[in-house]
Formats: sequence, C-alpha cells, structure tokens
Amino acid sequence: DTEVTQTPKHLVMGMTNKKSLKCEQHMGHRAMYWYKQKAKKPPELMFVYSYEKLSINESVPSRFSPECPNSSLLNLHLHALQPEDSALYLCASSQPIRFSGDTDTQYFGPGTRLTVL
Amino acid sequence: AQSVTQLDSQVPVFEEAPVELRCNYSSSVSVYLFWYVQYPNQGLQLLLKYLSGSTLVESINGFEAEFNKSQTSFHLRKPSVHISDTAEYFCAVTISNDYKLSFGAGTTVTVRA
Repeated sequence: DTEVTQTPKHLVMGMTNKKSLKCEQHMGHRAMYWYKQKAKKPPELMFVYSYEKLSINESVPSRFSPECPNSSLLNLHLHALQPEDSALYLCASSQPIRFSGDTDTQYFGPGTRLTVL
Repeated sequence: AQSVTQLDSQVPVFEEAPVELRCNYSSSVSVYLFWYVQYPNQGLQLLLKYLSGSTLVESINGFEAEFNKSQTSFHLRKPSVHISDTAEYFCAVTISNDYKLSFGAGTTVTVRA
C-alpha cells in the first residue's frame, strides 16, 4: 500500500482565519514533506521532517507552521495567509536517509486545494 | 546542484499512437530519476523510477523509460496511448543523501480520439 491521505480536499479561508491541513501515511515512512504547487507548475518543496524532526525549511514564511505529532501524521497550520498563497498543497512521504549513498522514493497524497480570499 | 529539463511543454497525440516525453538532467554526481503523472485535479502518482540496475524500467500501465548516462537522459515512452493517459507528466531527479527532488517544468499530454 502506497497511500498518503490528505484532508480536507478543498479549503476556502479568509486572510484572518486560522486553519490546518492534515496528512497521514501508514507505510512506516519516517520522512514526510510539504509541497506547494501553483497551476501549471511543478511542486515546490516547503518542509521536510525526518524522524519527526524538522530537517528542511525552504525559507517558508512564518504564516505557514508545520507540525509532526507522530511518525504517521503531518500537519500544516495556516494563519494570516495572502491570496497569493492559494495553491494545491501536497504531502509526501518516504523512507528517511539512513546511510551514506541512500535515497528513496517519495509518494504523494492527493493534495488540498486552498483558496485564500 | 542537479537540474531537469523537459524539452516539450505540450504533446498532443492521437489515441493508439506512440508518445515520447523527453527529459534531460544535469548533475555532477550519480542520480536517481523518476517520472510522476498528475491527472487533472489530483496529486502526483509515481509512474516509474530508476535507482540502480537495469537502465530500462517499466510501469504496469505500459510506459517505459530508459536511463542513458552518456546522454544524461531519461525519456518516457508508450507505444500506444489511451484517452485516459491525458495528464501532466513530471520528470524528477535526486542524488544520494538528499531529500530534495528537482522537478522539470512538466509536459502536458493531450490524447485525442
């Protein structure tokens, strides 16, 4: 099973709202990712967690706050977003890098379509 | 740093015709290569990957790709497409000890009857 689930599928929020996106995987993966994808563009990496610790933050504005409460769950907390933050937010997971020369395949969820009014 | 170039932004093709999507990469070290497909209003699905071993890799739905180190390419092919193959296709590359995937700009495949 290579399934990553994301909720909600769609989210509309105002610029003063606080909301959260959720991601879950049961593949035993210990690396999880958040990506942002604008229309007709490739995904852009936002955050990487490895063994529940933040490993990479691609200079993402603080209005996006990631959280990894356990090895299966990944949240993205949203606050005071701007209309330009409207996009498809994708979660992915993989086995973490454990040894020199190691890498693994990222599996993506279906995404949350976010609209900021 | 590694990078990916997808040479065709749009590929229109008739049903049952063959299709080839071109992907070239740039890297100073060994790479791992992936093709992902994104159907309208969906997430990315892994189509196939090259990590090591045989340079010709195949997917369960008839796609294949060949890793060519000398030409730094990983082109995707299907001998006969279906309407359901209409989608966006992304080539991606990573290297050892790196969580970051570098994506190409994507190729839109439109299959017409």
